[in-house]
Amino acid sequence: AQTVTQSQPEMSVQEAETVTLSCTYDTSESDYYLFWYKQPPSRQMILVIRQEAYKQQNATENRFSVNFQKAAKSFSLKISDSQLGDAAMYFCAYKEGAQKLVFGQGTRLTINP
Amino acid sequence: EAGVVQSPRYKIIEKKQPVAFWCNPISGHNTLYWYLQNLGQGPELLIRYENEEAVDDSQLPKDRFSAERLKGVDSTLKIQPAELGDSAVYLCASSRGQLNTEAFFGQGTRLTVV
Repeated sequence: AQTVTQSQPEMSVQEAETVTLSCTYDTSESDYYLFWYKQPPSRQMILVIRQEAYKQQNATENRFSVNFQKAAKSFSLKISDSQLGDAAMYFCAYKEGAQKLVFGQGTRLTINP
Repeated sequence: EAGVVQSPRYKIIEKKQPVAFWCNPISGHNTLYWYLQNLGQGPELLIRYENEEAVDDSQLPKDRFSAERLKGVDSTLKIQPAELGDSAVYLCASSRGQLNTEAFFGQGTRLTVV
């Protein structure tokens, strides 16, 4: 079964600085998708960024970018110029086609003003 | 377009009582998911529907949990009877279908069993 591991239960960063959240996963498949979701106190999961495994280029969405290392099965999220509104739980997730999303345990990100 | 709508947002019930949660997915989304999220953990799938068919319910505790999506649109998740350990957030999500992998989530229902 596919598993997703986030080894950092909590992270903190100064406002305007850069922070990297780690994620590793385990799969025997070659075609899959990886996601980072943000969950603020309102509880709604918000998609931050997605990566298709067949694409070598790392995905980027404004201040958010990923470092996708397929051979190492690593998928880290970098947040540049951190803002107070970035404070939330961040979940890494894995998905094959139409199958279920498999989530990691989450990382709580705190932004210090 | 409207997002995934869930109700109620909060529910407090006594143990052994029944409870039901409702989810209306985004219009046109064929795939619907129910996830359970315990405090401080990531969501775990309870059941996945493709239209009205439950295609993955392997993690649904069928002795007390049931779900339906009769017309392939909105869905109801029921617990009967509820136990203290069922206290959690229940998330609903939807996606367009097999070729589109992005799932959109509702705000969830926080259930407290006392």
